[in-house]
Amino acid sequence: QQPVQSPQAVILREGEDAVINCSSSKALYSVHWYRQKHGEAPVFLMILLKGGEQKGHDKISASFNEKKQQSSLYLTASQLSYSGTYFCGTASNAGGTSYGKLTFGQGTILTVHP
Amino acid sequence: DSGVTQTPKHLITATGQRVTLRCSPRSGDLSVYWYQQSLDQGLQFLIQYYNGEERAKGNILERFSAQQFPDLHSELNLSSLELGDSALYFCASSETFLNTDTQYFGPGTRLTVL
Repeated sequence: QQPVQSPQAVILREGEDAVINCSSSKALYSVHWYRQKHGEAPVFLMILLKGGEQKGHDKISASFNEKKQQSSLYLTASQLSYSGTYFCGTASNAGGTSYGKLTFGQGTILTVHP
Repeated sequence: DSGVTQTPKHLITATGQRVTLRCSPRSGDLSVYWYQQSLDQGLQFLIQYYNGEERAKGNILERFSAQQFPDLHSELNLSSLELGDSALYFCASSETFLNTDTQYFGPGTRLTVL
């Protein structure tokens, strides 16, 4: 089942912060975050593993709440280059034929204005 | 540049035809994944190959098939094409078959079925 992302879209001014959430009804083993510009390939941001760790680089960080089966992506002091569609991809440790499969959310469109 | 290459970049064909999309993974990566991205369906996982063997399968239509060759490049064959098959097709690669590996996406092939 597809994870649910919220919000569907967000508009920011440069320097503002945003949070994008990704929720799943299934037990998760890993959550993968990507950013995609229109017509281009998704670009990897970070992976979070079961265990509730928080990761980050530069002004983008993320957390994974195992109890809630939810991950959140935090963008602080946004820049124009942050504009794009953000996708979370989730993986369960179901094993068998589902092992490598990522199920992606519907995406969150982020627009940063000067 | 992710290091994953896909050809062709664009493909325009007619209903009922058959096409082949090609993907070369990053050097050293053994897994190849195929995804379909259409406007109304988002990023949909199709199939994963690891070192020449099928590893995981998504909602891939029977009209679609894939394989991974000994040199690790992969091909996705789409036959009896329908208008609804028009989409961006991405290939991604990762080091192993684990769902904790980073998947690096290629630039995609845009398929238009007329």
